[in-house]
Amino acid sequence: DSGVTQTPKHLITATGQRVTLRCSPRSGDLSVYWYQQSLDQGLQFLIHYYNGEERAKGNILERFSAQQFPDLHSELNLSSLELGDSALYFCASSVAGDRRTGELFFGEGSRLTVL
Amino acid sequence: SQQGEEDPQALSIQEGENATMNCSYKTSINNLQWYRQNSGRGLVHLILIRSNEREKHSGRLRVTLDTSKKSSSLLITASRAADTASYFCATRWEKLVFGQGTRLTINP
Repeated sequence: DSGVTQTPKHLITATGQRVTLRCSPRSGDLSVYWYQQSLDQGLQFLIHYYNGEERAKGNILERFSAQQFPDLHSELNLSSLELGDSALYFCASSVAGDRRTGELFFGEGSRLTVL
Repeated sequence: SQQGEEDPQALSIQEGENATMNCSYKTSINNLQWYRQNSGRGLVHLILIRSNEREKHSGRLRVTLDTSKKSSSLLITASRAADTASYFCATRWEKLVFGQGTRLTINP
């Protein structure tokens, strides 16, 4: 158990809908990262938050948004869903948030299926 | 595009043999990390090597880093069936960027 909690584990929805994925980092970790894993694109970095502030952005679509709350949990909002958004969405956390940061602790992921 | 590229994409060996996976990357790094992912599960950190290090060991794992060639290798010695998983290298600069991974299958 990594200590990172993601909900829901599985989600099935229709095109055009909006979903929210939730992540609770390990106790004491200030950084939260979101990754998308699909068969054709591999593991893509989406966004990184550190202590409530956005630190780095990756290949995150404009239809997607995220935030980190004062209690350090994070939410990833996916809107106007398309079939291609079907993927595993991982949250990871770490203590620090700069380029010297070591290991990330990953949750078990939220599997999104868009029909 | 991905920062790290693993080679081979898939590797199948017999239990007890050694498995070697390679990773190449394109730009500057602060550190390089290797992760394991069992099918459909979260990634688990295996080992980290900093840019000023050349080799590191952890149990049956040996990692090398050649910054002049922008490459790293992960060696798993005396493989076990439980080592069957996908292995990813990840390079850290401003972001931690993952490669496409190597699918390792250990045959009993």
